[in-house]
Amino acid sequence: DAKTTQPPSMDCAEGRAANLPCNHSTISGNEYVYWYRQIHSQGPQYIIHGLKNNETNEMASLIITEDRKSSTLILPHATLRDTAVYYCIVSGAGSYQLTFGKGTKLSVIP
Amino acid sequence: GAVVSQHPSRVICKSGTSVKIECRSLDFQATTMFWYRQFPKKSLMLMATSNEGSKATYEQGVEKDKFLINHASLTLSTLTVTSAHPEDSSFYICSARVALAGGPHEQYFGPGTRLTVT
Repeated sequence: DAKTTQPPSMDCAEGRAANLPCNHSTISGNEYVYWYRQIHSQGPQYIIHGLKNNETNEMASLIITEDRKSSTLILPHATLRDTAVYYCIVSGAGSYQLTFGKGTKLSVIP
Repeated sequence: GAVVSQHPSRVICKSGTSVKIECRSLDFQATTMFWYRQFPKKSLMLMATSNEGSKATYEQGVEKDKFLINHASLTLSTLTVTSAHPEDSSFYICSARVALAGGPHEQYFGPGTRLTVT
């Protein structure tokens, strides 16, 4: 599976949009981009995934660049409960494994 | 999303004893479940992949005789830490895979089990 690069930490003001970047320059054509988050001392929570089109669900939006080498997870109106470590993971449809990197620690500030 | 439970949520055991952790998919059937371990301030590390009705596949460096995995049904996988030592103290997390039509898959994670070996 392709590797990903994320900033180690970010701050976001409560109520503002949180934009979390991820680089995955070695992604191959059949690999999906997945985003999970982990709130302290809990299991990871699935957020969203995409292949090449932008995706949106009730939690977030995923913007994937046209060359698919990077993506951005957008939390439109961050709340204190969104404080967590966010993981960007690239995985193929035929590979069921998720390899967790260090992720981005997002701190939402009142 | 799908719900995965783990039991117990916390366990303290003495060195040399064995501990069993259960992972259940509550509202779906999971042909594949995964077991992860997470040490403090570290990321999740995959320990093994568990397929229903067959032997688990362990990652390099994970002792299969120490971490026994059983996936006897489509909704239950168990991890038994045998002859536990203090260095086995960790946060153990399971996940279950849901296959989506057309290729991608989603994994849903349990809440984790905090194991402390004294």
